[in-house]
Amino acid sequence: AQSVTQLGSHVSVSEGALVLLRCNYSSSVPPYLFWYVQYPNQGLQLLLKYTSAATLVKGINGFEAEFKKSETSFHLTKPSAHMSDAAEYFCAVSGNTGGFKTIFGAGTRLFVKA
Amino acid sequence: GAGVSQSPSNKVTEKGKDVELRCDPISGHTALYWYRQSLGQGLEFLIYFQGNSAPDKSGLPSDRFSAERTGGSVSTLTIQRTQQEDSAVYLCASSFWTGNTGELFFGEGSRLTVL
Repeated sequence: AQSVTQLGSHVSVSEGALVLLRCNYSSSVPPYLFWYVQYPNQGLQLLLKYTSAATLVKGINGFEAEFKKSETSFHLTKPSAHMSDAAEYFCAVSGNTGGFKTIFGAGTRLFVKA
Repeated sequence: GAGVSQSPSNKVTEKGKDVELRCDPISGHTALYWYRQSLGQGLEFLIYFQGNSAPDKSGLPSDRFSAERTGGSVSTLTIQRTQQEDSAVYLCASSFWTGNTGELFFGEGSRLTVL
């Protein structure tokens, strides 16, 4: 079965600092991996996705993630945090096992301090 | 409509009552998904539809939960004899059928509170 583990339910950074949100996955087949963001009182929206093309994936709002098969990781980064990045971030995986469904991690809430 | 629409946005009910939650997906999206979001629990998969069929309903927590989709469009999630542990935000998402690589478009959710 596929699964996703997000390390750290809460991450706090200062404005302008590096953002690093960690995600590790488990999958017996090459996975498709996603990061979604949920701003307060809004629905989830896609930040970026990996679908077996380039291992470094660029998304919206300056975020990027790197697929590392050897580490089964798909960490999300942004060089310089902005106050507007404060939100909850979800890593997700889908693949051919377990049917065509996307499995989400528990989420990481990002706080940005002025 | 332009996005996924869910109703009601908020529902407060008494334990033991039945509730219906509605999802209107983006026009043309053949796949529709229901998730449950509880505080600190992330998104829990409930069921997904391809057209009007539900190939995977493995996430439904109990036989009190059921869902249907008609006309390849609107879906209804029904919870019978609600319990306090059913309190959560129920999220609906839709996508073009592109297998596993498709982006999910989410509604804003229906917040259910069972007293």
